[in-house]
Amino acid sequence: QSALTQPPSASGSPGQSVTISCTGTSSDVGGYNYVSWYQQHPGKAPKLMIYEVNKRPSGVPDRFSGSKSGNTASLTVSGLQAEDEADYYCSSYAGRNSVFGTGTKVTVL
Amino acid sequence: EVQLVQSGAEVKKPGESLKISCKGSGYSFSNYWIGWVRQMPGEGLEWMGIIYPGNSETRYSPSVQGQVIISADKSISTAYLQWSSLKASDTAMYYCARKVGASYPPDFWGQGSPVTVSS
Repeated sequence: QSALTQPPSASGSPGQSVTISCTGTSSDVGGYNYVSWYQQHPGKAPKLMIYEVNKRPSGVPDRFSGSKSGNTASLTVSGLQAEDEADYYCSSYAGRNSVFGTGTKVTVL
Repeated sequence: EVQLVQSGAEVKKPGESLKISCKGSGYSFSNYWIGWVRQMPGEGLEWMGIIYPGNSETRYSPSVQGQVIISADKSISTAYLQWSSLKASDTAMYYCARKVGASYPPDFWGQGSPVTVSS
């Protein structure tokens, strides 16, 4: 069970959009609509931003959106704000267990 | 209010044993899965396993199977992660998190338990 693949970093200026990919296999991302995304600020616990590919928990701004095509899921952050600078992790159900992505550091320029 | 409160920081020597805890409150502890997530210094998140306190069904990630034991005592709404012989590579932050179902993502997280293993 290997970690899902994410780009190490992504960046954008305030107000711009950034999209992060999360590539897995047909045994995880491609096989289930249970892809979620987490935001983690330094020294803090992860926070759920997207679940079931494209659903937002209560309180998460609609600037955050998710999608999936085949074995690759994506998180888009529109209208970047300074507070969006953080590490982002995808996760997918993979049968009996779940697997995280390698993580992407988003920098707001 | 749903809360997961984890035990505090631990500093141990290689070969020692350790059991850290995660106490749930504000919800029916028996009816939600509890998962454990490891984050080594400067590294990403890694699922270790999950347990359903209602019947103690436990699922381990292949990478930690046999290395740790996950357990729960529903009478005191507490889940545990334990090691019988720590290694330096077990140095990490450990988070517990609540899951509505095994396939669902965690909706509430503990504050984390830092573990340092050093001679």
